[in-house]
Amino acid sequence: EPEVTQTPSHQVTQMGQEVILRCVPISNHLYFYWYRQILGQKVEFLVSFYNNEISEKSEIFDDQFSVERPDGSNFTLKIRSTKLEDSAMYFCASMQEYNYGYTFGSGTRLTVV
Amino acid sequence: EDKVVQSPLSLVVHEGDTVTLNCSYEVTNFRSLLWYKQEKKAPTFLFMLTSSGIEKKSGRLSSILDKKELFSILNITATQTGDSAVYLCATSGTYKYIFGTGTRLKVLA
Repeated sequence: EPEVTQTPSHQVTQMGQEVILRCVPISNHLYFYWYRQILGQKVEFLVSFYNNEISEKSEIFDDQFSVERPDGSNFTLKIRSTKLEDSAMYFCASMQEYNYGYTFGSGTRLTVV
Repeated sequence: EDKVVQSPLSLVVHEGDTVTLNCSYEVTNFRSLLWYKQEKKAPTFLFMLTSSGIEKKSGRLSSILDKKELFSILNITATQTGDSAVYLCATSGTYKYIFGTGTRLKVLA
């Protein structure tokens, strides 16, 4: 069964450093998303991406965040200057067509120290 | 503002019990409601509901949507310890799904 692949599974970084979280969505999917889940809290929407551009972003997705789909297969989330409160599980999700439901990746646990 | 509210927040039952998890929502441009099961890591898909009154079933799990009253329920019959997880409800707004806080279910042997 097709999967959404995320790397790395766990990243530890120092506050102020830049991190790039990587995702390979399912190949025929058209919609891509990043969500995060702080430990013990709800899954929060960060950003949606369709047709090579951001279609919607949340208040969390401020100027320190950016997304790219550099080569037609990878989908990356960059956090420019990490803060302690960025520590969370980050999930990538993709969807074949709108309203078909997401397939989630297994997540990247980001720990900022 | 779009929102999804799940209840109860947590639930402890014994194997063999039947549980009902609730999800109420307020979203503009509603298109569908999703149920996911989250164990250690990524949520795994259970059901997608788009029409009122039509029950979706998968083994011991079933779910139904009421678009008039804006809620859905997820039923699990004859619960097993492997059903222990957080159950997430999500509804589609414009271009994205919004998640509730989840219901943490613990099934005791």
